[in-house]
Amino acid sequence: GAVVSQHPSRVICKSGTSVKIECRSLDFQATTMFWYRQFPKQSLMLMATSNEGSKATYEQGVEKDKFLINHASLTLSTLTVTSAHPEDSSFYICSARDRGTRPLLNTEAFFGQGTRLTVV
Amino acid sequence: GQQVMQIPQYQHVQEGEDFTTYCNSSTTLSNIQWYKQRPGGHPVFLIQLVKSGEVKKQKRLTFQFGEAKKNSSLHITATQTTDVGTYFCAGRGDAGNMLTFGGGTRLMVKP
Repeated sequence: GAVVSQHPSRVICKSGTSVKIECRSLDFQATTMFWYRQFPKQSLMLMATSNEGSKATYEQGVEKDKFLINHASLTLSTLTVTSAHPEDSSFYICSARDRGTRPLLNTEAFFGQGTRLTVV
Repeated sequence: GQQVMQIPQYQHVQEGEDFTTYCNSSTTLSNIQWYKQRPGGHPVFLIQLVKSGEVKKQKRLTFQFGEAKKNSSLHITATQTTDVGTYFCAGRGDAGNMLTFGGGTRLMVKP
């Protein structure tokens, strides 16, 4: 299957600082990438949908000024958590859809390895 | 909005026993996907179901998509300790681009 690389896998930062998480599709072009947040023992909650070359679409309740998403190329999307606070500590996971796949049918979401963010 | 419910939340089984997790959507789905997430890991795609009433098998795993395309199930025959993890269903609505994940079922297998 397709490979999605997410970096870093773990990060510890001080409260008030910003953290950037990268999501790369290594062997395919991803017009759409998704960013999820997962709290311990809970499901994945979609934060935003990132489309290459356009603004991200944020889910209700997700602050777009706090979680900055950039999808500048077909293989890279970044999520920046700005002015991080301890309550932002979580597992963040990206997924990417292969551009070559027919829309809405037979699509697969390939997940990155996730980033465990701890804000102290 | 679209909601996807998954039951049970947890399941303990003895190795060799069967296991089933059920997924129900509040709206009709264009397709449903199943993922497995090992403790500390990320979701790994297992399968996608698209057609009404579709049944697919992967070795000991059997996936079904309901006739109304609103529910789905994953059945594991003769569980093994390697089956341990959380199984998530994720549905995509008719007009949707995004996946909505169920809450997951955590499977624990006693050797």
